[in-house]
Amino acid sequence: QAQLVQSGAEVKKPGASVKVSCKASGYIFTGHYLHWVRQAPGQGLEWMGWIDPHSGGTKYAQKFQGRVTMTRDTSSSTAYMELSRLTSDDTAVYYCARVSTAGSGRWFDPWGQGTLVTVSS
Amino acid sequence: EIVLTQSPATLSLSPGERATLSCRASQSVSNFLAWYQQKPGQAPSLLIYDASKRATGIPARFSGSGSGTDFTLTISSLEPEDFAVYYCQQRSNWPPDVTFGQGTRLEIK
Repeated sequence: QAQLVQSGAEVKKPGASVKVSCKASGYIFTGHYLHWVRQAPGQGLEWMGWIDPHSGGTKYAQKFQGRVTMTRDTSSSTAYMELSRLTSDDTAVYYCARVSTAGSGRWFDPWGQGTLVTVSS
Repeated sequence: EIVLTQSPATLSLSPGERATLSCRASQSVSNFLAWYQQKPGQAPSLLIYDASKRATGIPARFSGSGSGTDFTLTISSLEPEDFAVYYCQQRSNWPPDVTFGQGTRLEIK
């Protein structure tokens, strides 16, 4: 079955960048968009954007424009999310999620296990 | 941006009781709404999509209803494993961005 496995936890200093990976298996990587969603400690879910693994096309939430870059490597079925100019407000668990094949195709299933990014001086 | 408002923020019930969770959109999203369940330390998991369809493997005690701006997730008889946080999510045709509600915490009374 489809599965997404993310890279491990990161600790970064303010002003640095972080790059999180999301390795897909069990399905055709280029056949489904991947989205990134983050969750600050004790908070709700915040959508960051998507990447089309087939074309490499992307769309970012306005809040993250200019600071986030989503890429992919089709040879390894891996997507990446890089966030720059980190501040303490970026401390969160970052999830990748595949667009579901169910219904209108606007939903997320499955999700990666999450990657905790901690920004601290 | 379409804003989703969930109520109540916290719902305290006992196993066997019926749970009713609400999600209201700031403008019509047609039936383009989903519900997710999130347990502590886990990623969210899809429960309901297209407002009323159960995802694969989801028990029949979970049901979704609504269209336009008002949506409801109902759990007919709570099991111990149902106590979690529930989020609604929309992705309408325009604007095409994704938004989530702020979540409803379902806790054991």
